[in-house]
Amino acid sequence: AQTVTQSQPEMSVQEAETVTLSCTYDTSENNYYLFWYKQPPSRQMILVIRQEAYKQQNATENRFSVNFQKAAKSFSLKISDSQLGDTAMYFCAFMKQGVNDMRFGAGTRLTVKP
Amino acid sequence: DTGVSQNPRHKITKRGQNVTFRCDPISEHNRLYWYRQTLGQGPEFLTYFQNEAQLEKSRLLSDRFSAERPKGSFSTLEIQRTEQGDSAMYLCASSRTEAFFGQGTRLTVV
Repeated sequence: AQTVTQSQPEMSVQEAETVTLSCTYDTSENNYYLFWYKQPPSRQMILVIRQEAYKQQNATENRFSVNFQKAAKSFSLKISDSQLGDTAMYFCAFMKQGVNDMRFGAGTRLTVKP
Repeated sequence: DTGVSQNPRHKITKRGQNVTFRCDPISEHNRLYWYRQTLGQGPEFLTYFQNEAQLEKSRLLSDRFSAERPKGSFSTLEIQRTEQGDSAMYLCASSRTEAFFGQGTRLTVV
């Protein structure tokens, strides 16, 4: 079974600073996808960034980038130039290729302080 | 609105009652998912549809839970004989490649 671990229940960062959220996962699969989702307070989950395991290049989306270490089974999210609107729960998720059961971590609550 | 729509947003029910939730996916998405999320936890997979076919079900989906997706469009999730442990946020998502989530239905069983 695949498990996803987010070891930081809560984090905070000053506006305009950089923060890194950690995620590790456990799998014996070679082909899979990894995701970071954002869930603002009382609002719906939004996909932040996605990484295919077969790609060595780390995905980036504007201020969001990942550090994907396949051998270490690590998938951290870096948020640069943090903005107040980045305040949210962040969930790391894993999905094996060909299977539609997306497994989520317990989440990290990020607070961006002015 | 072209996003995933879920109704109702909130539902309070007495223990033992049946409840039904509806999800309207993004129209061109053939895949639809139901998840359950309890406070302080990440979403847990319940079931998956491709078009009208229910292809995967989690062991979390007990006999009291049933989901349908007639005609491959909207989906319903019914919980029979609700229990207090069913209290949670029920999330629906649809996808072609990436999953887009609705705002969820928050169920409170009293």
